[in-house]
Amino acid sequence: EIVLTQSPVTLSLSPGERATLSCRASQRLGNYLAWYQQKSGRAPRLLIYDASNRATGIPARFSGSGSGTDFTLTISSLEPEDFAVYYCQQRSNWPITFGQGTRLEIK
Amino acid sequence: EVQLVESGGGLVKPGGSLRLSCAASGFSFSSYTMNWVRQAPGKGLEWVSSISPTSTYIYYADSVKGRFTISRDNAKNSLFLQVNSLRAEDTAVYYCVRDGNPFDYWGQGTLVTVSS
Repeated sequence: EIVLTQSPVTLSLSPGERATLSCRASQRLGNYLAWYQQKSGRAPRLLIYDASNRATGIPARFSGSGSGTDFTLTISSLEPEDFAVYYCQQRSNWPITFGQGTRLEIK
Repeated sequence: EVQLVESGGGLVKPGGSLRLSCAASGFSFSSYTMNWVRQAPGKGLEWVSSISPTSTYIYYADSVKGRFTISRDNAKNSLFLQVNSLRAEDTAVYYCVRDGNPFDYWGQGTLVTVSS
């Protein structure tokens, strides 16, 4: 099973600041890495797929990068609605696995 | 508009069973792999099971293998999860998820609570 480790566990930033979230895989993934945003009490929403492709309707301030075992989600300038929990997910190997999440909170 | 609506959750005793359903609309259901993903209260996301468009390929997480059964009815645009031998650790919100490579649409979830 591929283990995804996200860091940091919690990130405290202010609106307007840049956020950098990390996801490290225990094995090489190729580019089959996705990022999801989840707000309290809501279903997750797809942000990024195949490491760097923005999903439909996702603002340009969200970007993804990386390959192999190290991946990054960057939010260039935080908006108030961006404070949420973010998960990475791999579909390179069965079973499909998710990272444990990074909570992005308002400082 | 793609819609996924889960139902069938509830309170069940340890060892009990439930059948979760997901009604899909707004897309060609029979063309997509479908998944169940769960989330225990206050915890992260856990993939549970996947089923290919014609049910040829079915996969389960080790934590549910032998207890849960995924199925679909393409004529009725419906996805199911039969959950048996339930344990306290199966308590979670269960999401129905379309696999558009990646998981592009999620339902709002149905809560399963396992407690005596």
